[in-house]
Formats: sequence, structure tokens, C-alpha cells
Amino acid sequence: AQSVTQLGSHVSVSEGALVLLRCNYSSSVPPYLFWYVQYPNQGLQLLLKYTSAATLVKGINGFEAEFKKSETSFHLTKPSAHMSDAAEYFCAVSDKGYSTLTFGKGTMLLVSP
Amino acid sequence: NAGVMQNPRHLVRRRGQEARLRCSPMKGHSHVYWYRQLPEEGLKFMVYLQKENIIDESGMPKERFSAEFPKEGPSILRIQQVVRGDSAAYFCASSLGQGENTEAFFGQGTRLTVV
Repeated sequence: AQSVTQLGSHVSVSEGALVLLRCNYSSSVPPYLFWYVQYPNQGLQLLLKYTSAATLVKGINGFEAEFKKSETSFHLTKPSAHMSDAAEYFCAVSDKGYSTLTFGKGTMLLVSP
Repeated sequence: NAGVMQNPRHLVRRRGQEARLRCSPMKGHSHVYWYRQLPEEGLKFMVYLQKENIIDESGMPKERFSAEFPKEGPSILRIQQVVRGDSAAYFCASSLGQGENTEAFFGQGTRLTVV
């Protein structure tokens, strides 16, 4: 069975500061890993995905994530936060491509001026 | 090209009524997935359908819930005899196919409130 743990239900940063959102996963097979962002009352938008190619994955809006097999982690980072980054972020894992995603509980990112 | 369209966006039902949630996938997409988001929880997979077929329903409650994706028209998630615990946001996603080179696009969700 797969599972995803996102450490911290809320993360607060100042504008311009480093963003680090943590995600640890468990999977019995080499996983596909994803980060999604959800703005209030909106659907989910794919930020980036890992599918066994490069371990450092670059996504949209300046975000990137690094797959570390030894740590079973896929943390999301952005060097400098913008106010527009305030949203909820979900890490997800799948062993079947895109069909049955298992999501973490989400981390709300708060950005202060 | 319109995205994944879900309607209604908000739905209020009394306990015991039926709820019907609709999802029109993106143009050309024949794979549809339904997820449920309970308060303070992440999204949980419910069912995966292709046209006229249920591929994986491992996340669907055994009773009261059903889903279909007919040859023509939207995918429907049906909840019979709703209870308070069914109150949640229900998200639909669609994709062209399977595998690492296809992306699932999500709709804006239907927020069901059972009173």
C-alpha cells in the first residue's frame, strides 16, 4: 500500500524567503511522485512530477523538487516566495501512472509581506 | 479548449435524498477519475472510468455510491440516500490515457453539503 506524509499542515514564510514543503512517501514499487497546488475554491493544478528520470525536477512558477530514494522524500522548494504562492500544496504518489493517486493531507502555505 | 467541467459547483441535499454530480472531461479525454476531499483531509481516490467501463473502483464505498461514464455525455457520480458524512468536495479529473506522459487535469470540484 502507498502512503504520503506531509509534515506541517501550515507553513508560514515571508515574501522573498525560501519555501520548503516536506513530503515523505512509502511505496512497494518505484513510484511516480507529484506536487499539486490548490487555490481557494479551485481544482488542483500540477506543479511538477517525478517519473524515474532526473531526480531533480523543475516545475512551473519556479518550484522544484528532489527525489531522494534513500530518504523516501520528495520535498518541494522555491528560492524566493511570492505573495501569489499562497495556496494549499498536495504531494501525491502513484504506482500506476496517473490513475490512482494517493494524496497527502496537504500543506497550507502562508506568505506574509 | 475548455478544461474539466463539473456541475453543479455547490449542491445542498437533505439527508436521504440523492445527489448527482456531473463531470465533462476535457475534449478528447476518455479517462475519468473521481476523488473525494473531506475537511482537513487530502483527496482520496474513488473510481477510475473509461468510456462505458469501470476500470478501478477500489476507493468507492460499497453502498449508496455509483459512477458511470456513458458513451455519450458526462460522467456521473451518484450518491443515494445521502448522510451528513457525505458532505465533502468531490473532484473529477480527466486524462488522454495512462502512463507517465499523460497528465490528469482536475475540475473545480462540486461541494456537497448534506443538511
